[in-house]
Amino acid sequence: GEDVEQSLFLSVREGDSSVINCTYTDSSSTYLYWYKQEPGAGLQLLTYIFSNMDMKQDQRLTVLLNKKDKHLSLRIADTQTGDSAIYFCAESSGGSYIPTFGRGTSLIVHP
Amino acid sequence: NAGVTQTPKFRVLKTGQSMTLLCAQDMNHEYMYWYRQDPGMGLRLIHYSVGEGTTAKGEVPDGYNVSRLKKQNFLLGLESAAPSQTSVYFCASSYADRKYEQYFGPGTRLTVT
Repeated sequence: GEDVEQSLFLSVREGDSSVINCTYTDSSSTYLYWYKQEPGAGLQLLTYIFSNMDMKQDQRLTVLLNKKDKHLSLRIADTQTGDSAIYFCAESSGGSYIPTFGRGTSLIVHP
Repeated sequence: NAGVTQTPKFRVLKTGQSMTLLCAQDMNHEYMYWYRQDPGMGLRLIHYSVGEGTTAKGEVPDGYNVSRLKKQNFLLGLESAAPSQTSVYFCASSYADRKYEQYFGPGTRLTVT
């Protein structure tokens, strides 16, 4: 199986909350990340969480980490049409700390 | 600051042709990376560099070569392009002590016919 898995699509209505889920296999993961890719652009780091944390909040973004289940989620409150993008979950571990990326979740926000 | 720039933005090659993709960063980052992104796939690491004059293989290095002669530049070469190398190529860079915080370029869309 893949190292990092996430669902491919999520559709929400503007103003609702979005929750994007991710699972990973490496129990020694040190950092877990969420990147955002807008159409025609490169990836942009949204937020990251260390494996010794279980939650991180940054304005409209909340990251939850369940280390026991190797499950990471990204919640976007009050989702706007500008949040429409592909969201990549990634993890890194060991000495290299180079991220391994999931396939990305395409978030579509309807007016 | 321009950040991370990539040239060219688009390119079409015939099978067997060669080309070089250029990545430049002006943030004095030690680490630089080349990824490829295929439809429905995450990013896969091709090669990376931890400093000037050094390179290392990533997950999918076959068919590619790289060079880092200057700290700010990282070149990706295709010696004999194949249709399987049709992809979007992203360059990224980071500080050595903040490898988790990568800055990405806008990408190069390469089509090999």
